[in-house]
Amino acid sequence: AQSVAQPEDQVNVAEGNPLTVKCTYSVSGNPYLFWYVQYPNRGLQFLLKYITGDNLVKGSYGFEAEFNKSQTSFHLKKPSALVSDSALYFCAVRRLSNTDKLIFGTGTRLQVFP
Amino acid sequence: EAGVVQSPRYKIIEKKQPVAFWCNPISGHNTLYWYLQNLGQGPELLIRYENEEAVDDSQLPKDRFSAERLKGVDSTLKIQPAELGDSAVYLCASSSPFGTSGEVDTQYFGPGTRLTVL
Repeated sequence: AQSVAQPEDQVNVAEGNPLTVKCTYSVSGNPYLFWYVQYPNRGLQFLLKYITGDNLVKGSYGFEAEFNKSQTSFHLKKPSALVSDSALYFCAVRRLSNTDKLIFGTGTRLQVFP
Repeated sequence: EAGVVQSPRYKIIEKKQPVAFWCNPISGHNTLYWYLQNLGQGPELLIRYENEEAVDDSQLPKDRFSAERLKGVDSTLKIQPAELGDSAVYLCASSSPFGTSGEVDTQYFGPGTRLTVL
């Protein structure tokens, strides 16, 4: 069975500092991995995804994520946080088969302080 | 390009009443998804359509929930009768197997409908 773990309910970081939001996954076979962001009263916005190739994936708004197969992780990172990055972040996984559903983590609330 | 459109954005009903949500996917996206998002949780898939065919409805509580996508474009999700525990956000998403590498099989979400059952 597929699963995603986001071990931190909340991450606090000062503006200008680097941020990391953690995600680990469990899936049989090769995974598709995704990060989405959700602002209050909004739907989920796609940030980036990993399918294959380079382990470092660059996405929207300066975010990037690093796929680590041995640690089954896909942590989201940004070199310099902005107050406007404060939101709820979701990691998701599915197998390469197009018929498999996307499994989401429980979300991590990022709070960036000025 | 317009994104996924959902209506209404908010709905308040009393328990045992029926309710319906509407979704218009991104133009050209043949796959449509309905998700349920409870407070403090990630979305959970209710049903997935490939064109007008429901290919995964295993998580849809069929005693009270129903969905349709008659012409393979718009979709409606219905609850009848609603229960207190149905209070949640209902998200619609769409995807396509075509496009750029960044777009292929990426699910794009609508703003959701927040349902409150009193």
